[in-house]
Amino acid sequence: DQQVKQNSPSLSVQEGRISILNCDYTNSMFDYFLWYKKYPAEGPTFLISISSIKDKNEDGRFTVFLNKSAKHLSLHIVPSQPGDSAVYFCAASGVGNAGNMLTFGGGTRLMVKP
Amino acid sequence: DGGITQSPKYLFRKEGQNVTLSCEQNLNHDAMYWYRQDPGQGLRLIYYSQIVNDFQKGDIAEGYSVSREKKESFPLTVTSAQKNPTAFYLCASSIQGTNTGELFFGEGSRLTVL
Repeated sequence: DQQVKQNSPSLSVQEGRISILNCDYTNSMFDYFLWYKKYPAEGPTFLISISSIKDKNEDGRFTVFLNKSAKHLSLHIVPSQPGDSAVYFCAASGVGNAGNMLTFGGGTRLMVKP
Repeated sequence: DGGITQSPKYLFRKEGQNVTLSCEQNLNHDAMYWYRQDPGQGLRLIYYSQIVNDFQKGDIAEGYSVSREKKESFPLTVTSAQKNPTAFYLCASSIQGTNTGELFFGEGSRLTVL
């Protein structure tokens, strides 16, 4: 059973508009959430994270929102740029996790059209 | 430059053969990980190591083996017992004990079984 789910496998957005990527989780022990960005044939790179004590974290064009009661987080990209086209993975880490073991969602492919 | 190097980038294997994927890091990270990526399934943890000469099974360790004889190196062997080895393999490392969840990934190795 997937503990972290990204229900939209793909998303297409016009350049300059907002991109919203969603992620749901089931494990209430998760207390740290991350977004990774991945280009084809490359490894994922860390994008932004949020601790469960916060409900919002912003870094430039990227904002992550966390709704603990709904076990839902989202990544907002404003404005979207063609270079943002990539696969985005949501990941979660739990209290007492050995090391930095992450549970990943299945990814959402974002396509930003010029 | 500091980073994680995986080799080979592409590898073909006949059924019944073992293959070893290399992962080297010069980030001085204590923890290293192997993930497998399949389409639509995100990244799944195969093995991880928090310290030299110690490693633990992840969620899908069957058919794989690892060693951690040096801090910088964490090779993964895909054995003939792995029933569906064709996948994209990602090695990662992290600073031990931060619990921030941030992993640094290599560029990946794509294994195809013929």
